[in-house]
Amino acid sequence: AQSVTQLDSHVSVSEGTPVLLRCNYSSSYSPSLFWYVQHPNKGLQLLLKYTSAATLVKGINGFEAEFKKSETSFHLTKPSAHMSDAAEYFCVVSDNFNKFYFGSGTKLNVKP
Amino acid sequence: NAGVTQTPKFRILKIGQSMTLQCTQDMNHNYMYWYRQDPGMGLKLIYYSVGAGITDKGEVPNGYNVSRSTTEDFPLRLELAAPSQTSVYFCASSYGGQGYEGEKLFFGSGTQLSVL
Repeated sequence: AQSVTQLDSHVSVSEGTPVLLRCNYSSSYSPSLFWYVQHPNKGLQLLLKYTSAATLVKGINGFEAEFKKSETSFHLTKPSAHMSDAAEYFCVVSDNFNKFYFGSGTKLNVKP
Repeated sequence: NAGVTQTPKFRILKIGQSMTLQCTQDMNHNYMYWYRQDPGMGLKLIYYSVGAGITDKGEVPNGYNVSRSTTEDFPLRLELAAPSQTSVYFCASSYGGQGYEGEKLFFGSGTQLSVL
């Protein structure tokens, strides 16, 4: 069975400081992993996807994530937070049959 | 392309009423999904479809029904609405397959439903 656990429900950072949003996964297969972002009152947008080609994945808006099989983790990072990054972020795992399982979400607050 | 279009955006139902949430996509995607989003719970898969005429249950299907008569449309039916169905509902679609574009989900803007 596939599942993801997002370790923090809320993260607060100051503008210009690094962002770390943590995700652990469980998968019976070699997983496909994703990060989606949801800005207030908006739909969800794909940030990045892990493919087996590279363990460090670069996404949009300066975000990246590192796949660590030994730790079953797929943490999302950004070197320098911007006010516009304030949103809810979801880690997602696919069962390789195009079914997608979402984590509970992490709300990122960016302080000026 | 309009992408994924959901209607209505907001709805209030009384307990026991029924309604259909509409979802249509114009990207010729094979896969379509219905999710519900509850605070602190992420998105839970209600039903999904891999093509016209084929649907299957997700994680939380009870109290809902779907149909997929065309590639474009994937309506979600609520029968005998209950307060536990108060949620935000999202329809999504994807082309399908294992590539980056194949697994990319495109979401509608959501339907906020309250059952009172």
